[in-house]
Amino acid sequence: NAGVTQTPKFRVLKTGQSMTLLCAQDMNHEYMYWYRQDPGMGLRLIHYSVGEGTTAKGEVPDGYNVSRLKKQNFLLGLESAAPSQTSVYFCASSYFTYNEQFFGPGTRLTVL
Amino acid sequence: QQQVKQSPQSLIVQKGGISIINCAYENTAFDYFPWYQQFPGKGPALLIAIRPDVSEKKEGRFTISFNKSAKQFSLHIMDSQPGDSATYFCAAAGPGSYIPTFGRGTSLIVHP
Repeated sequence: NAGVTQTPKFRVLKTGQSMTLLCAQDMNHEYMYWYRQDPGMGLRLIHYSVGEGTTAKGEVPDGYNVSRLKKQNFLLGLESAAPSQTSVYFCASSYFTYNEQFFGPGTRLTVL
Repeated sequence: QQQVKQSPQSLIVQKGGISIINCAYENTAFDYFPWYQQFPGKGPALLIAIRPDVSEKKEGRFTISFNKSAKQFSLHIMDSQPGDSATYFCAAAGPGSYIPTFGRGTSLIVHP
């Protein structure tokens, strides 16, 4: 099992460019999450999904969109990147709430 | 408003010493308290978790202590080793807030 994988691992964008981060899990988990990690700020929830075809806003959703068309995939989109979106992005999945969250290896994004 | 406050932000311990990380929460409905460990360049991974029906849970050198009346819980790492050097996150979840809320993290360095 690959667990949770993220694509790409690194990316540099210019302000105003768009991109999509892909998260895939092979554990048949219902719940998937996108977090951003910034120094001293911990892990902040951007968006999450409780099942295929569903999405919900987290703590810091502005500037991001998500889609979960297939159960195993959760996409995070930046329509018009801003320097404030420079961060490390982690995807996670879990079978249910109150269950262990399995995290991907992260995507380091720099917006110039 | 931080729902989960974690301290200290950083901690330096000598090999063989005890590392203690504290967390305090606001929401009395929280009833699931996991700790995650993150090594540099990796995603967080579940270390240990506790529910409030017990006051302490031990797994090897790692112990969670839980004080429901004080709304506090802590991670104790006994006989700390250089391999324990990592960032540790506490989290909390419960009815009405079932997606875990993370603390801001503690960077632990264990000197040989």
